[in-house]
Amino acid sequence: DAKTTQPTSMDCAEGRAANLPCNHSTISGNEYVYWYRQIHSQGPQYIIHGLKNNETNEMASLIITEDRKSSTLILPHATLRDTAVYYCIVRSPFYNQGGKLIFGQGTELSVKP
Amino acid sequence: EAGVAQSPRYKIIEKRQSVAFWCNPISGHATLYWYQQILGQGPKLLIQFQNNGVVDDSQLPKDRFSAERLKGVDSTLKIQPAKLEDSAVYLCASSKWGDRATYEQYFGPGTRLTVT
Repeated sequence: DAKTTQPTSMDCAEGRAANLPCNHSTISGNEYVYWYRQIHSQGPQYIIHGLKNNETNEMASLIITEDRKSSTLILPHATLRDTAVYYCIVRSPFYNQGGKLIFGQGTELSVKP
Repeated sequence: EAGVAQSPRYKIIEKRQSVAFWCNPISGHATLYWYQQILGQGPKLLIQFQNNGVVDDSQLPKDRFSAERLKGVDSTLKIQPAKLEDSAVYLCASSKWGDRATYEQYFGPGTRLTVT
């Protein structure tokens, strides 16, 4: 079963920051927080991941709370092409259960002009 | 670099028929995954290969589904006989394997199967 809770849907205005929350209150010390997104009719796309520290790459920023029980994915300047379902996943390392991804329902983000 | 390739992209069959899907992972990726995604749900892992060996097939309905990965590269997923509830998108993903705790999975475009 998925170990995360996300809102079912969110809206964001084009050009504004999109902040997608995720709760993972039962996360273990060696588990990572991963974010993927799935644009309609495409396979999921990796966005970013983190263990304890905040992370940033060319696509997004990931903010993890100090107790690691929740996180926020930030798309700094959302565009229409960011409209997708965003999945927050708590992932075990390879040496535990093969590091498999367990997808939940995700958050459907709609970026509006 | 080339992404994960899958074929066919679409397939329509009648129930009780058989079907096979093919996946070619990213070059050098030792780990290969097959997922099933039913409409409106997140992907569900069916089977995970590490080179030629199976790491996890706990969610694979083994009475009708089978998968193989010959020579540790390409993989095929077969359904025989198909049921109406097998209608879904079948996604293949691959990742590296090494001394890191985790590696990103890269997904193919998927095969949309409709069973009538």
